[in-house]
Amino acid sequence: DTGVSQNPRHKITKRGQNVTFRCDPISEHNRLYWYRQTLGQGPEFLTYFQNEAQLEKSRLLSDRFSAERPKGSFSTLEIQRTEQGDSAMYLCASSLVGSGYTFGSGTRLTVV
Amino acid sequence: RKEVEQDPGPFNVPEGATVAFNCTYSNSASQSFFWYRQDCRKEPKLLMSVYSSGNEDGRFTAQLNRASQYISLLIRDSKLSDSATYLCVKTGGTSYGKLTFGQGTILTVHP
Repeated sequence: DTGVSQNPRHKITKRGQNVTFRCDPISEHNRLYWYRQTLGQGPEFLTYFQNEAQLEKSRLLSDRFSAERPKGSFSTLEIQRTEQGDSAMYLCASSLVGSGYTFGSGTRLTVV
Repeated sequence: RKEVEQDPGPFNVPEGATVAFNCTYSNSASQSFFWYRQDCRKEPKLLMSVYSSGNEDGRFTAQLNRASQYISLLIRDSKLSDSATYLCVKTGGTSYGKLTFGQGTILTVHP
């Protein structure tokens, strides 16, 4: 296990299309987080899971966004009806409760 | 007001210089504090945790003042490889729960 893996690395989509990103955490990590980062800003929290339970969602996560972690392992983040304002880096991180984070390399989304 | 505020810089310093970054936070219930480093178009990586007693890791010294809700990072003898964005980060409530990031401070070290 070499760390947190995110796919795809880059995604270009037309406005109005749906996109889905995948995150594979470090296998023994029970917490998984999604963040969004736009240019010149720090990462902003979107949501996190402990095992398969989604424990917190940011108000940034509008009804067009949905995240799942069905078996407590990998997670998907779906954005429906993408808008240009959704263009950002989407970062996934995982951790054990009480220990530090490991971030993935991110998925860079461009909505044209 | 943002929960974590940083001066975005940019800071441009020569090699060998000492540079200090500051950060303030709101919500006195915030529990743990960190400095992360982020290279251009890469993911953030933990640089160091920050403790009230102050802590040092080589050329890096971090300090937390809970009374003033203020965090600092000092870099001595700057290297070209220190060029990056430095993110001030806190957690609230459960330790190592949700991280809240500042905007980041851009540092460029030049020859």
